[in-house]
Amino acid sequence: AQSVTQPDIHITVSEGASLELRCNYSYGATPYLFWYVQSPGQGLQLLLKYFSGDTLVQGIKGFEAEFKRSQSSFNLRKPSVHWSDAAEYFCAVVRYNQGGKLIFGQGTELSVKP
Amino acid sequence: DAGVIQSPRHEVTEMGQEVTLRCKPISGHDYLFWYRQTMMRGLELLIYFNNNVPIDDSGMPEDRFSAKMPNASFSTLKIQPSEPRDSAVYFCASSAGGGYTFGSGTRLTVV
Repeated sequence: AQSVTQPDIHITVSEGASLELRCNYSYGATPYLFWYVQSPGQGLQLLLKYFSGDTLVQGIKGFEAEFKRSQSSFNLRKPSVHWSDAAEYFCAVVRYNQGGKLIFGQGTELSVKP
Repeated sequence: DAGVIQSPRHEVTEMGQEVTLRCKPISGHDYLFWYRQTMMRGLELLIYFNNNVPIDDSGMPEDRFSAKMPNASFSTLKIQPSEPRDSAVYFCASSAGGGYTFGSGTRLTVV
């Protein structure tokens, strides 16, 4: 079965500190991987995606993610967090040989301390 | 492009009433998805279409839920009769070539 796991339900970091949000997937083959951000009461905004090629992907708002096949992970990182980054972050995967279903993890809520 | 357009943004209805949520995908996108978001269950895929044809409706919770896509520019999600446990935010998304774009969602409250 398709599975996406975000182990951390809630993370708090200080403004200016670095951030890493974890995402693990369970598939036999390389899936297509995404990170979305959702601010309270808002829709989902795509931060970045990985299909193939360079395993370090740059996204919007200074975010990056690294695909590690050996660890079945696609962790999201940011070197210096801003107060405006406080939001919920979702990792998602899709297997195009299964018709393009986009499946989400449970999300990680990020709080930023001043 | 105006993006994926959902209507209404908010809907409050009484238990037992019929509710219809609407979605206009991005022109040229060949996939359309309906998701439901709740605190308890997160983001659940309800159903998705490819070229207006339903491909997988295994996420539709009950027969009270139905979805249609009569043409490439319009889809509906209907709940009849509605129940309080259907209260959630419902998102529509469309996709082409690996890019998934979400609408702003419809917040449904069933009282």
